[in-house]
Amino acid sequence: EAQVTQNPRYLITVTGKKLTVTCSQNMNHEYMSWYRQDPGLGLRQIYYSMNVEVTDKGDVPEGYKVSRKEKRNFPLILESPSPNQTSLYFCASSPLNNEQFFGPGTRLTVL
Amino acid sequence: SQKIEQNSEALNIQEGKTATLTCNYTNYSPAYLQWYRQDPGRGPVFLLLIRENEKEKRKERLKVTFDTTLKQSLFHITASQPADSATYLCALEPYGQNFVFGPGTRLSVLP
Repeated sequence: EAQVTQNPRYLITVTGKKLTVTCSQNMNHEYMSWYRQDPGLGLRQIYYSMNVEVTDKGDVPEGYKVSRKEKRNFPLILESPSPNQTSLYFCASSPLNNEQFFGPGTRLTVL
Repeated sequence: SQKIEQNSEALNIQEGKTATLTCNYTNYSPAYLQWYRQDPGRGPVFLLLIRENEKEKRKERLKVTFDTTLKQSLFHITASQPADSATYLCALEPYGQNFVFGPGTRLSVLP
């Protein structure tokens, strides 16, 4: 089944404790992206990647890192999480210039 | 400044009527515009993509128009059903695959 998977789905952590949210797609898509969604602010792009070893900042990249070592994986790294990074996170993938397929979301709480 | 607006935060309509949602943008010149559906707690699901040289696109009960002069897209759901109740998001890619989403319109179709 064609899909985007994210892990974990739910995470509660404490300020400053490094964490990684994994994202994987099995559709051989070139493009992958991370978003965060917050009430009143909508869906905002954090980082995106148009291919292996190519990543670019979205609208809200501060406090986040990504890597694209393989085409199928695009992990999101929070080196030192803070409470303002509490949010619902979505990973997405697509062929270039086409519809995006979204993962199920990761609900992160930083205490 | 650049902005995407959707006509209203919430829209209530009666079952069987046509729902019309609006997406307006300023200071962008997108090559295409996309519409997504999002149910609570889940990732957005792609519905339609319309390119700048297309005036209208249809898919079953859905219709999208794109007016690059007015900088506006209209999204119509004909013969609406309670199952169409969801939040609908418009999205555009102004440059370099940096996607920007509108705030969404929460549609409620009343039986």
